Amino acid sequence: KNQVEQSPQSLIILEGKNCTLQCNYTVSPFSNLRWYKQDTGRGPVSLTIMTFSENTKSNGRYTATLDADTKQSSLHITASQLSDSASYICVVSSPSGNTPLVFGKGTRLSVIA
Amino acid sequence: DAGVIQSPRHEVTEMGQEVTLRCKPISGHDYLFWYRQTMMRGLELLIYFNNNVPIDDSGMPEDRFSAKMPNASFSTLKIQPSEPRDSAVYFCASRGSSVYTFGSGTRLTVV
Repeated sequence: KNQVEQSPQSLIILEGKNCTLQCNYTVSPFSNLRWYKQDTGRGPVSLTIMTFSENTKSNGRYTATLDADTKQSSLHITASQLSDSASYICVVSSPSGNTPLVFGKGTRLSVIA
Repeated sequence: DAGVIQSPRHEVTEMGQEVTLRCKPISGHDYLFWYRQTMMRGLELLIYFNNNVPIDDSGMPEDRFSAKMPNASFSTLKIQPSEPRDSAVYFCASRGSSVYTFGSGTRLTVV
């Protein structure tokens, strides 16, 4: 069964600190992996998208990594800001099957002063 | 571009009433998706359309749910009759050239 598991479920960090969120997936075949940021009361917004051949991709203070062999991805946030408080959702796309995207349940990040 | 537009933003209704959620996708996007998000289950795909044609509705929980896309710029998700367990945030998303854009969602509360 195609699944995306994220850890931790929630995380609290101090402003200015770094953090890393994890994503493991069993989706096969694999097309690409996306990280989304979802602010409270808003829809998810894309941060990064990586294909099978890409190991890392950055978007400002956000850096995503992908290990297609172990089917793991991480999202590293550097020098966190209060505005980084949100849910971060890992999403995997398969080129086949009826479900275009498989969503993780997200990691709820709270950045505190 | 105003993005994907959903209405209403919030809906509170009594059990048994009909609820209609609306979505205007981004112009030129050929896929439209309806998702439901709850704390317990995260984001779940309900149904998606390609060029206004429903492709997969296997995620629709039961016959009380129906979705239509009469043209490329409008889609509706209808729940009739609504039940308290339908309370959730419903998102519409459209896709063009592998880019997915989500609306801000409709928070539905059925009391």
